[in-house]
Amino acid sequence: QKEVEQNSGPLSVPEGAIASLNCTYSDRGSQSFFWYRQYSGKSPELIMFIYSNGDKEDGRFTAQLNKASQYVSLLIRDSQPSDSATYLCAVPVYNQGGKLIFGQGTELSVKP
Amino acid sequence: SQTIHQWPATLVQPVGSPLSLECTVEGTSNPNLYWYRQAAGRGLQLLFYSVGIGQISSEVPQNLSASRPQDRQFILSSKKLLLSDSGFYLCAWSPRGRTGGSPLHFGNGTRLTVT
Repeated sequence: QKEVEQNSGPLSVPEGAIASLNCTYSDRGSQSFFWYRQYSGKSPELIMFIYSNGDKEDGRFTAQLNKASQYVSLLIRDSQPSDSATYLCAVPVYNQGGKLIFGQGTELSVKP
Repeated sequence: SQTIHQWPATLVQPVGSPLSLECTVEGTSNPNLYWYRQAAGRGLQLLFYSVGIGQISSEVPQNLSASRPQDRQFILSSKKLLLSDSGFYLCAWSPRGRTGGSPLHFGNGTRLTVT
């Protein structure tokens, strides 16, 4: 069974700091990785995806992928209280209808 | 643009009653469709996925079933609900034709409480 692991948190950072969220995966063949944000009581929302080794930046968000070490991380710069949510890492299972395996999620709390 | 509709938003049902949750997608054809469940404070568990009309794959044995009577319609059902069926049910879609590497797009979810 393919696995995706995340620290459940909560991770607490002060406003304006960098929040670092990590995810490890078991399948060395995984080629793409997705980060979702889920506010309490709401459905997950895609915020980043990354396919290649290295960094991908989108505004305040940076996704980092290291396939050799089988981890993917999400950095949030200049964290805001509105970033307080649970962040889910997801990895696709190939040739099975495109389904995604999700980590348990990391709860982030940004304190003003 | 593509949109996904899921209803109802909340539902309270007694143990032993039937269940029917519906999901429809607009603005795309031949989507892959998914039902996930999220128990309180837990991660997302894939229940069913479908790559075409009438094609349903079940991920875990349970008290639920799924059907896809039309290309962009996905239904989650139960004949008799259990207390353990309570949770947040999420329908999602992804583009067909890619065996991996496409993100899923979620509906707003149905919060089911079985009493």
